[in-house]
Amino acid sequence: DGGITQSPKYLFRKEGQNVTLSCEQNLNHDAMYWYRQDPGQGLRLIYYSQIVNDFQKGDIAEGYSVSREKKESFPLTVTSAQKNPTAFYLCASSIDLPTGASGELFFGEGSRLTVL
Amino acid sequence: AQSVTQLDSQVPVFEEAPVELRCNYSSSVSVYLFWYVQYPNQGLQLLLKYLSGSTLVKGINGFEAEFNKSQTSFHLRKPSVHISDTAEYFCAVSFQGGSEKLVFGKGTKLTVNP
Repeated sequence: DGGITQSPKYLFRKEGQNVTLSCEQNLNHDAMYWYRQDPGQGLRLIYYSQIVNDFQKGDIAEGYSVSREKKESFPLTVTSAQKNPTAFYLCASSIDLPTGASGELFFGEGSRLTVL
Repeated sequence: AQSVTQLDSQVPVFEEAPVELRCNYSSSVSVYLFWYVQYPNQGLQLLLKYLSGSTLVKGINGFEAEFNKSQTSFHLRKPSVHISDTAEYFCAVSFQGGSEKLVFGKGTKLTVNP
């Protein structure tokens, strides 16, 4: 079955620690995204990538880092510089960018990060 | 400025009643419009989308939405809801020729009561 796999589903971290969230897709999509979801805030874009070895900051990139070494993988690192990292993180992919003819995003099931 | 507004943060309804979830956007360029649904502790899935053509769009699970360009709205409707429709619904807009991002509204939590 084609789709997006995020791991881990739940993650606990102590303050001051970096943590990496995994996102893998087998849809052969070029574009991948990371969103952060907080109650009542909707989805806010952290980073996105159009092609391998290239990525752009979204609206709330501070305290986060990404890499795109393979087409199917787009891991997100939440660094100790992120002041309020407790949130639900969603990875998504699309055939092309939202301005393209498709525009549809396919989402993983999310990773819930809690900082203790 | 380009923005997306979902006017209701929470909408409670009784089973088998009709429902309308409202979405308005602000834009000076053409748009693509989407509605996504999120069940608890899951990712989002696409309900329907408007790219061009007929302004009345039908989606999965009996939902439909109508694009109204003059009112810059894309309201989601269902004539008769089920308990299983309880979820959070997000309107999203792609602004053509501008930022290459999908902008999401803050969501509307639909609760269907028996």
